[in-house]
Amino acid sequence: SQTIHQWPATLVQPVGSPLSLECTVEGTSNPNLYWYRQAAGRGLQLLFYSVGIGQISSEVPQNLSASRPQDRQFILSSKKLLLSDSGFYLCAWRGGAMSYNSPLHFGNGTRLTVT
Amino acid sequence: EDKVVQSPLSLVVHEGDTVTLNCSYEVTNFRSLLWYKQEKKAPTFLFMLTSSGIEKKSGRLSSILDKKELFSILNITATQTGDSAVYLCAGTGSSNTGKLIFGQGTTLQVKP
Repeated sequence: SQTIHQWPATLVQPVGSPLSLECTVEGTSNPNLYWYRQAAGRGLQLLFYSVGIGQISSEVPQNLSASRPQDRQFILSSKKLLLSDSGFYLCAWRGGAMSYNSPLHFGNGTRLTVT
Repeated sequence: EDKVVQSPLSLVVHEGDTVTLNCSYEVTNFRSLLWYKQEKKAPTFLFMLTSSGIEKKSGRLSSILDKKELFSILNITATQTGDSAVYLCAGTGSSNTGKLIFGQGTTLQVKP
């Protein structure tokens, strides 16, 4: 069966510090991968998605970046965090081809607080 | 631009009440609409709807899609305190990106 791992679960970082959140998927190959952010009391905003190794698409301009060094690994990074980067970050995966026929599966999320 | 709008944004009911959550969508090359329940952490999948007029049911929860009017509803009957959560609706198109566009969510609080 497929599983998705995301870490860390919580993170408190000072403004200006770097960030690296990691997500890995097991039990499937060539998944579509996604990073979403959820501000308090809000819906999910898509930040990045990837349909293959090294292929990253950005949905919103920001100081975050994403990378996909391996088929089932997705990394969210920042060189210098801003206060506005605080939020709940969710990694998710979905089947590659014909993915609109399958639900999105989420990791447990990382709650990031930038102080 | 694709968008999904949910209403109401928040709702407070008492145990045993029936609630209806609404979701309207505008999604390019629409293929499916999904409902999720989110408590503390990750959203958990409830339903995926692709055809109009076919109700999907799971216990006290049910959902239906209207592709002509571009909306979906999620019904919860005989609500329990464990139904308290944020309910998220999302639409997806047919592109190979598989992106889901989420609504703002409806926060449901069920009081004893």
